Amino acid sequence: DSGVTQTPKHLITATGQRVTLRCSPRSGDLSVYWYQQSLDQGLQFLIQYYNGEERAKGNILERFSAQQFPDLHSELNLSSLELGDSALYFCASSSGHHSPYEQYFGPGTRLTVT
Amino acid sequence: AQSVTQLDSHVSVSEGTPVLLRCNYSSSYSPSLFWYVQHPNKGLQLLLKYTSAATLVKGINGFEAEFKKSETSFHLTKPSAHMSDAAEYFCVVSSFSGTYKYIFGTGTRLKVLA
Repeated sequence: DSGVTQTPKHLITATGQRVTLRCSPRSGDLSVYWYQQSLDQGLQFLIQYYNGEERAKGNILERFSAQQFPDLHSELNLSSLELGDSALYFCASSSGHHSPYEQYFGPGTRLTVT
Repeated sequence: AQSVTQLDSHVSVSEGTPVLLRCNYSSSYSPSLFWYVQHPNKGLQLLLKYTSAATLVKGINGFEAEFKKSETSFHLTKPSAHMSDAAEYFCVVSSFSGTYKYIFGTGTRLKVLA
Protein backbone atom coordinates (compact mmCIF):
# COMPACT_ATOMS: atom_id res chain seq x y z
CA ASP A 1 0.00 0.00 0.00
CA SER A 2 1.58 3.25 -1.20
CA GLY A 3 -0.50 5.51 1.05
CA VAL A 4 -2.00 7.31 -1.98
CA THR A 5 -5.74 6.86 -2.31
CA GLN A 6 -7.90 7.41 -5.37
CA THR A 7 -11.65 7.41 -5.77
CA PRO A 8 -13.64 6.08 -7.42
CA LYS A 9 -11.98 2.82 -8.45
CA HIS A 10 -14.15 2.45 -11.54
CA LEU A 11 -16.24 4.96 -13.46
CA ILE A 12 -18.51 4.31 -16.41
CA THR A 13 -20.07 7.27 -18.17
CA ALA A 14 -21.34 8.41 -21.56
CA THR A 15 -19.75 10.60 -24.19
CA GLY A 16 -20.20 14.30 -23.59
CA GLN A 17 -20.39 13.92 -19.82
CA ARG A 18 -18.13 15.36 -17.13
CA VAL A 19 -16.46 13.43 -14.30
CA THR A 20 -14.25 14.23 -11.33
CA LEU A 21 -11.50 11.96 -10.09
CA ARG A 22 -10.15 12.41 -6.60
CA CYS A 23 -6.72 11.76 -5.12
CA SER A 24 -5.39 11.98 -1.58
CA PRO A 25 -1.58 12.02 -1.39
CA ARG A 26 0.56 10.27 1.20
CA SER A 27 0.65 12.03 4.52
CA GLY A 28 3.20 14.85 4.33
CA ASP A 29 3.60 14.81 0.54
CA LEU A 30 3.15 18.20 -1.08
CA SER A 31 3.39 17.25 -4.76
CA VAL A 32 0.63 15.53 -6.69
CA TYR A 33 0.95 14.23 -10.24
CA TRP A 34 -1.73 12.98 -12.61
CA TYR A 35 -1.12 10.40 -15.33
CA GLN A 36 -3.23 8.78 -18.02
CA GLN A 37 -2.49 5.20 -19.07
CA SER A 38 -4.05 3.72 -22.19
CA LEU A 39 -3.14 0.84 -24.45
CA ASP A 40 -2.32 2.99 -27.44
CA GLN A 41 -0.60 5.95 -25.72
CA GLY A 42 1.10 4.25 -22.80
CA LEU A 43 1.69 6.22 -19.60
CA GLN A 44 1.30 9.96 -20.19
CA PHE A 45 2.07 12.67 -17.66
CA LEU A 46 -0.80 15.14 -17.42
CA ILE A 47 -0.10 17.71 -14.73
CA GLN A 48 1.68 18.34 -11.43
CA TYR A 49 0.69 20.43 -8.42
CA TYR A 50 2.88 21.44 -5.51
CA ASN A 51 1.30 22.79 -2.34
CA GLY A 52 -1.73 24.05 -4.21
CA GLU A 53 0.05 25.56 -7.21
CA GLU A 54 0.41 24.17 -10.70
CA ARG A 55 4.09 23.26 -11.30
CA ALA A 56 4.30 21.38 -14.56
CA LYS A 57 2.03 20.54 -17.44
CA GLY A 58 2.30 17.58 -19.73
CA ASN A 59 -0.01 16.28 -22.40
CA ILE A 60 -3.19 17.50 -20.77
CA LEU A 61 -6.12 18.32 -23.03
CA GLU A 62 -7.96 21.62 -22.67
CA ARG A 63 -11.09 19.65 -21.75
CA PHE A 64 -9.24 18.42 -18.66
CA SER A 65 -8.41 20.49 -15.60
CA ALA A 66 -7.09 19.84 -12.13
CA GLN A 67 -6.62 21.52 -8.82
CA GLN A 68 -5.03 20.88 -5.47
CA PHE A 69 -6.87 21.99 -2.37
CA PRO A 70 -5.52 23.41 0.93
CA ASP A 71 -5.73 19.98 2.53
CA LEU A 72 -3.49 18.80 -0.38
CA HIS A 73 -5.99 16.45 -1.96
CA SER A 74 -6.37 16.87 -5.70
CA GLU A 75 -9.13 16.52 -8.23
CA LEU A 76 -8.91 15.89 -11.95
CA ASN A 77 -11.90 17.10 -13.93
CA LEU A 78 -12.59 15.60 -17.33
CA SER A 79 -15.31 17.20 -19.44
CA SER A 80 -16.95 16.67 -22.84
CA LEU A 81 -15.79 13.10 -22.61
CA GLU A 82 -14.93 11.16 -25.73
CA LEU A 83 -14.51 7.44 -26.29
CA GLY A 84 -10.75 7.96 -26.51
CA ASP A 85 -10.65 9.24 -22.95
CA SER A 86 -11.27 5.72 -21.68
CA ALA A 87 -8.14 4.90 -19.73
CA LEU A 88 -6.63 4.26 -16.35
CA TYR A 89 -5.91 7.51 -14.52
CA PHE A 90 -3.23 7.46 -11.87
CA CYS A 91 -2.37 9.93 -9.21
CA ALA A 92 1.08 9.95 -7.62
CA SER A 93 2.58 11.98 -4.81
CA SER A 94 6.06 12.93 -3.69
CA SER A 95 7.44 14.94 -0.85
CA GLY A 96 8.89 17.86 -2.81
CA HIS A 97 9.58 19.31 -6.20
CA HIS A 98 13.10 20.73 -5.86
CA SER A 99 14.72 17.32 -5.99
CA PRO A 100 13.95 14.16 -7.92
CA TYR A 101 12.01 12.51 -5.17
CA GLU A 102 10.48 9.16 -6.03
CA GLN A 103 6.77 9.16 -6.71
CA TYR A 104 4.27 6.95 -4.94
CA PHE A 105 1.35 5.86 -7.08
CA GLY A 106 -2.24 5.28 -6.18
CA PRO A 107 -4.22 2.26 -7.42
CA GLY A 108 -5.81 4.25 -10.24
CA THR A 109 -9.29 5.05 -11.48
CA ARG A 110 -10.47 3.11 -14.50
CA LEU A 111 -12.64 5.34 -16.67
CA THR A 112 -14.83 3.81 -19.34
CA VAL A 113 -16.62 6.16 -21.72
CA THR A 114 -19.45 4.54 -23.69
CA ALA B 1 16.15 17.28 -24.11
CA GLN B 2 15.62 14.23 -21.99
CA SER B 3 14.32 10.89 -23.17
CA VAL B 4 14.26 7.27 -22.16
CA THR B 5 14.15 4.19 -24.37
CA GLN B 6 13.24 0.73 -23.21
CA LEU B 7 14.77 -1.51 -25.81
CA ASP B 8 12.40 -4.47 -25.47
CA SER B 9 8.63 -4.27 -25.30
CA HIS B 10 8.37 -7.93 -24.23
CA VAL B 11 10.83 -10.24 -22.47
CA SER B 12 10.23 -13.91 -21.65
CA VAL B 13 12.39 -15.88 -19.24
CA SER B 14 12.09 -19.22 -17.52
CA GLU B 15 11.61 -19.33 -13.78
CA GLY B 16 14.99 -19.44 -12.04
CA THR B 17 16.91 -17.84 -14.92
CA PRO B 18 18.34 -14.30 -14.95
CA VAL B 19 16.32 -11.27 -15.93
CA LEU B 20 17.68 -8.37 -17.98
CA LEU B 21 15.47 -5.41 -18.87
CA ARG B 22 17.26 -2.77 -20.89
CA CYS B 23 16.94 0.99 -20.61
CA ASN B 24 18.88 3.76 -22.34
CA TYR B 25 18.46 7.40 -21.52
CA SER B 26 19.36 10.78 -22.87
CA SER B 27 19.82 13.74 -20.57
CA SER B 28 21.49 17.12 -20.75
CA TYR B 29 22.08 17.11 -17.03
CA SER B 30 23.10 14.53 -14.48
CA PRO B 31 20.00 12.39 -14.49
CA SER B 32 18.08 10.70 -11.77
CA LEU B 33 16.78 7.33 -12.88
CA PHE B 34 14.09 5.04 -11.53
CA TRP B 35 12.58 1.66 -12.24
CA TYR B 36 8.93 1.03 -11.44
CA VAL B 37 6.92 -2.18 -11.66
CA GLN B 38 3.23 -2.47 -12.44
CA HIS B 39 1.37 -5.69 -11.78
CA PRO B 40 -1.91 -6.24 -13.66
CA ASN B 41 -4.63 -3.80 -12.63
CA LYS B 42 -2.38 -2.24 -9.99
CA GLY B 43 -0.60 1.06 -9.55
CA LEU B 44 3.12 1.51 -10.13
CA GLN B 45 5.53 0.55 -7.38
CA LEU B 46 9.07 1.89 -7.06
CA LEU B 47 11.72 -0.82 -7.44
CA LEU B 48 14.83 1.31 -7.14
CA LYS B 49 16.33 4.71 -7.88
CA TYR B 50 19.67 6.23 -8.84
CA THR B 51 20.44 9.79 -7.77
CA SER B 52 24.21 10.23 -8.34
CA ALA B 53 25.39 8.10 -5.45
CA ALA B 54 26.61 4.51 -5.97
CA THR B 55 26.32 3.40 -9.59
CA LEU B 56 25.07 -0.06 -8.62
CA VAL B 57 21.69 0.34 -7.05
CA LYS B 58 19.90 -2.41 -5.16
CA GLY B 59 16.13 -2.42 -5.00
CA ILE B 60 13.33 -4.49 -3.65
CA ASN B 61 12.60 -8.14 -4.48
CA GLY B 62 16.20 -8.88 -5.49
CA PHE B 63 16.35 -6.43 -8.38
CA GLU B 64 19.31 -4.20 -9.06
CA ALA B 65 20.40 -1.75 -11.74
CA GLU B 66 23.71 -0.30 -12.81
CA PHE B 67 24.12 3.27 -13.98
CA LYS B 68 26.65 3.42 -16.83
CA LYS B 69 27.27 6.97 -17.90
CA SER B 70 29.53 6.04 -20.82
CA GLU B 71 26.80 3.84 -22.26
CA THR B 72 23.88 6.04 -21.10
CA SER B 73 22.24 2.91 -19.78
CA PHE B 74 20.40 1.86 -16.64
CA HIS B 75 19.57 -1.81 -17.17
CA LEU B 76 17.53 -3.72 -14.59
CA THR B 77 18.66 -7.20 -13.59
CA LYS B 78 17.71 -10.02 -11.27
CA PRO B 79 19.72 -13.22 -10.85
CA SER B 80 16.76 -15.58 -10.68
CA ALA B 81 13.23 -14.90 -11.91
CA HIS B 82 10.17 -15.83 -9.89
CA MET B 83 6.67 -16.29 -11.24
CA SER B 84 5.60 -13.29 -9.19
CA ASP B 85 7.98 -11.07 -11.21
CA ALA B 86 5.65 -11.24 -14.21
CA ALA B 87 4.57 -7.63 -14.67
CA GLU B 88 5.28 -4.50 -16.68
CA TYR B 89 8.42 -2.55 -15.87
CA PHE B 90 8.97 1.15 -16.53
CA CYS B 91 12.27 3.00 -16.68
CA VAL B 92 12.00 6.68 -15.75
CA VAL B 93 14.43 9.57 -16.13
CA SER B 94 13.98 12.71 -14.10
CA SER B 95 15.01 16.00 -15.60
CA PHE B 96 15.00 19.54 -14.31
CA SER B 97 13.26 22.27 -16.25
CA GLY B 98 12.10 24.75 -13.65
CA THR B 99 10.83 21.80 -11.72
CA TYR B 100 11.62 18.14 -11.89
CA LYS B 101 9.80 16.29 -14.67
CA TYR B 102 9.54 12.56 -14.95
CA ILE B 103 9.78 10.93 -18.35
CA PHE B 104 8.52 7.38 -18.53
CA GLY B 105 9.68 4.73 -20.95
CA THR B 106 7.12 2.77 -22.92
CA GLY B 107 7.43 -0.23 -20.64
CA THR B 108 8.70 -3.80 -20.88
CA ARG B 109 6.31 -6.64 -20.21
CA LEU B 110 8.09 -9.49 -18.45
CA LYS B 111 6.70 -12.98 -18.83
CA VAL B 112 8.03 -15.75 -16.58
CA LEU B 113 7.61 -19.28 -17.84
CA ALA B 114 7.22 -22.22 -15.47
